[in-house]
Amino acid sequence: GQNIDQPTEMTATEGAIVQINCTYQTSGFNGLFWYQQHAGEAPTFLSYNVLDGLEEKGRFSSFLSRSKGYSYLLLKELQMKDSASYLCAVAGGSQGNLIFGKGTKLSVKP
Amino acid sequence: GAVVSQHPSRVICKSGTSVKIECRSLDFQATTMFWYRQFPKQSLMLMATSNEGSKATYEQGVEKDKFLINHASLTLSTLTVTSAHPEDSSFYICSARSLNEKLFFGSGTQLSVL
Repeated sequence: GQNIDQPTEMTATEGAIVQINCTYQTSGFNGLFWYQQHAGEAPTFLSYNVLDGLEEKGRFSSFLSRSKGYSYLLLKELQMKDSASYLCAVAGGSQGNLIFGKGTKLSVKP
Repeated sequence: GAVVSQHPSRVICKSGTSVKIECRSLDFQATTMFWYRQFPKQSLMLMATSNEGSKATYEQGVEKDKFLINHASLTLSTLTVTSAHPEDSSFYICSARSLNEKLFFGSGTQLSVL
């Protein structure tokens, strides 16, 4: 079956660093995506990993280990506007669709 | 960058009526469009996959006669929720796959059925 796990909620302080973990078990794998989603809005693309290792993009970095079925999203220098849900999604569907985790709601506090 | 336009962004309707949601790729051709549904505090769940010129493929548990999908051109797919009921109230999002395999999301439609 398809299963993507990530923590439900996390809280962090402005200016700090936070790591959001994601583990997955899917029948297929064509890459792993991280999206940011504010309530009532569509997801916004953050990162894409298809090979093992760390991808850095400004304050956001994403890591993938295919052998472990594991990824994390690292957010540095947290800002209040980073408060949102972060969705881990695997491109593993039979139609090339994304399979989403339930999302991690991140609250950034002053 | 590529843009997917989804309309309407918000709709309120009476129980028993039908609602049509449009998903349009503005500057690229989308051979495949995906329709997702998201209930509050839950994940995005794939409802159906729409390929231009052919019948949509529905996920298990999604009624094809209730959620009508039409993908008549390479830039437009529509989802019609027929005889809507309060339990159909949800956030509906489309995504379009470009010829170079990239995915782009629409802005979503919040459907409230009274």
